Amino acid sequence: DAKTTQPNSMESNEEEPVHLPCNHSTISGTDYIHWYRQLPSQGPEYVIHGLTSNVNNRMASLAIAEDRKSSTLILHRATLRDAAVYYCIPRVYNTDKLIFGTGTRLQVFP
Amino acid sequence: DTGVSQDPRHKITKRGQNVTFRCDPISEHNRLYWYRQTLGQGPEFLTYFQNEAQLEKSRLLSDRFSAERPKGSFSTLEIQRTEQGDSAMYLCASSPVGFEEKLFFGSGTQLSVL
Repeated sequence: DAKTTQPNSMESNEEEPVHLPCNHSTISGTDYIHWYRQLPSQGPEYVIHGLTSNVNNRMASLAIAEDRKSSTLILHRATLRDAAVYYCIPRVYNTDKLIFGTGTRLQVFP
Repeated sequence: DTGVSQDPRHKITKRGQNVTFRCDPISEHNRLYWYRQTLGQGPEFLTYFQNEAQLEKSRLLSDRFSAERPKGSFSTLEIQRTEQGDSAMYLCASSPVGFEEKLFFGSGTQLSVL
């Protein structure tokens, strides 16, 4: 499984953009990059995933480096509800499980 | 879509006792996963089912742990002879078949072993 490196914690002010980085230098060419987040006292929830191209959905955007060794999750306008632990997970092709690291704890201040 | 349901939300038990947790997945989901999470760590994969078949078990899952999904719907996770090190949040997730499919997690069962 590809190893990931994420900052332990990050801070943001409400309504500002947040860029959450993830290094996954050992990722293979067929591994998708998934992002999940875990709000306090809840199970993880899916945020976004992608392979090579940048991806957008209603929650966030995912920017994937051309060499695929890193990616960035972008929250365009942080809200207090976005305070959570964010996990970057390279999902091995045809693997049915997700392997979580320790993630980045995002704090959002009013 | 009522989401993934886990019961109970909290369980306190004494060392040496057996405990059982239940997970009800989203009804049309074939896959069901169990994870364990301790404070400050990400969830650790324990095992997963496709329908009633248990397809993979982590090396973390000792002989004291057993999981079942008898009819391919709900699942139970039993821990026998609990130890203090078993104290953790036990998370259940479900998904459709397909490696791009997202997992839907329940809110977990918090186990405290005294």
